[in-house]
Amino acid sequence: KAGVTQTPRYLIKTRGQQVTLSCSPISGHRSVSWYQQTPGQGLQFLFEYFSETQRNKGNFPGRFSGRQFSNSRSEMNVSTLELGDSALYLCASTPGPGDYEAFFGQGTRLTVV
Amino acid sequence: GDSVTQMEGPVTLSEEAFLTINCTYTATGYPSLFWYVQYPGEGLQLLLKATKADDKGSNKGFEATYRKETTSFHLEKGSVQVSDSAVYFCALSGGSQGNLIFGKGTKLSVKP
Repeated sequence: KAGVTQTPRYLIKTRGQQVTLSCSPISGHRSVSWYQQTPGQGLQFLFEYFSETQRNKGNFPGRFSGRQFSNSRSEMNVSTLELGDSALYLCASTPGPGDYEAFFGQGTRLTVV
Repeated sequence: GDSVTQMEGPVTLSEEAFLTINCTYTATGYPSLFWYVQYPGEGLQLLLKATKADDKGSNKGFEATYRKETTSFHLEKGSVQVSDSAVYFCALSGGSQGNLIFGKGTKLSVKP
């Protein structure tokens, strides 16, 4: 059974640009959550999607957005990148909402220069 | 709001030493508790979990017991190996947004 796949693994972007990250959950899992990991703030919840609907959202500015497709794959987008957006972005999948035994991908390392 | 506090690292141990990583939590309600492990360059892997008070989670020689009276979920292993070197995260379920809430992580280095 394939795990959670995140692409790309590494990205370098310039301030002001936008970026899109992709996450394919485990087959059969319908809920996808996104987390930002930084040395200073640790792991912070961005948002959760289930059945193509955003269920929950963390305390991040509107520059951070996401969506989920009918096949449960999810993308997150960050517009007008800032240096502080440099982080490891982790995607987690669960069978459904409220299932907290999450399976994480390897993450996308975003560097903003 | 809900929160998790775990001991600061890094923790450096010799192979076969006893490991304890302290974790305490603050939560309304009755959350599930988790330990995740992150190896260098990797995402997080679930190590063990406990869903109610007095439950003991265990996996790969690691153990943690859900202590409601002390709001703790300390991670222990009797004899660590070099391959256990990683960052360990304590987490609880059910944040206000229905998400996992993580501690800051504790980096463990095991020397041969």
